[in-house]
Amino acid sequence: NAGVTQTPKFQVLKTGQSMTLQCAQDMNHEYMSWYRQDPGMGLRLIHYSVGAGITDQGEVPNGYNVSRSTTEDFPLRLLSAAPSQTSVYFCASSRTLTANYGYTFGSGTRLTVV
Amino acid sequence: DAKTTQPNSMESNEEEPVHLPCNHSTISGTDYIHWYRQLPSQGPEYVIHGLTSNVNNRMASLAIAEDRKSSTLILHRATLRDAAVYYCILRVINTNAGKSTFGDGTTLTVKP
Repeated sequence: NAGVTQTPKFQVLKTGQSMTLQCAQDMNHEYMSWYRQDPGMGLRLIHYSVGAGITDQGEVPNGYNVSRSTTEDFPLRLLSAAPSQTSVYFCASSRTLTANYGYTFGSGTRLTVV
Repeated sequence: DAKTTQPNSMESNEEEPVHLPCNHSTISGTDYIHWYRQLPSQGPEYVIHGLTSNVNNRMASLAIAEDRKSSTLILHRATLRDAAVYYCILRVINTNAGKSTFGDGTTLTVKP
């Protein structure tokens, strides 16, 4: 089982550029989410989705867009990269929104904006 | 939203038990307590979760206080590979069910 796959693993962007971070899961999980982790800190929720066609905002959604056209994929788009978005981004999934299931995390994308 | 409080850091000796505390005084009756750990340069990894009763799995044990306002993750014999940041979070069942927040966690150092 591949689990949660994130691409790319590393990315350097110039200020103002846009890009999409990819996240795919092969476990037929309904729930998917994106977190960012700044150096030495915990994870902050950006956006999440409870199923195809349904998304909602987390704690820090500004500057990011998401869509969920399939169960498997949940891409995160940076509209106009800023140095403040330099971070490690983690995608997570769970079987359902129900709290009785744990999250499975990807290995992360390390993004630097210069 | 219900929050959790954990000590910033703890130390343990190898092969000794470790008790990692978590306070969640504003927990609601249907909130699940989840624990994750994050090894250096890796994504978080699920460890264990519970609602009211104590839970055991191959990785750890979870002891939940009778009033559910606190819980303790127990590593029975710490190894060097257990050195990580441990996060205690609440998964809520309400209109904010999708919004699980992670605090800064507890950094566990294991000494040989």
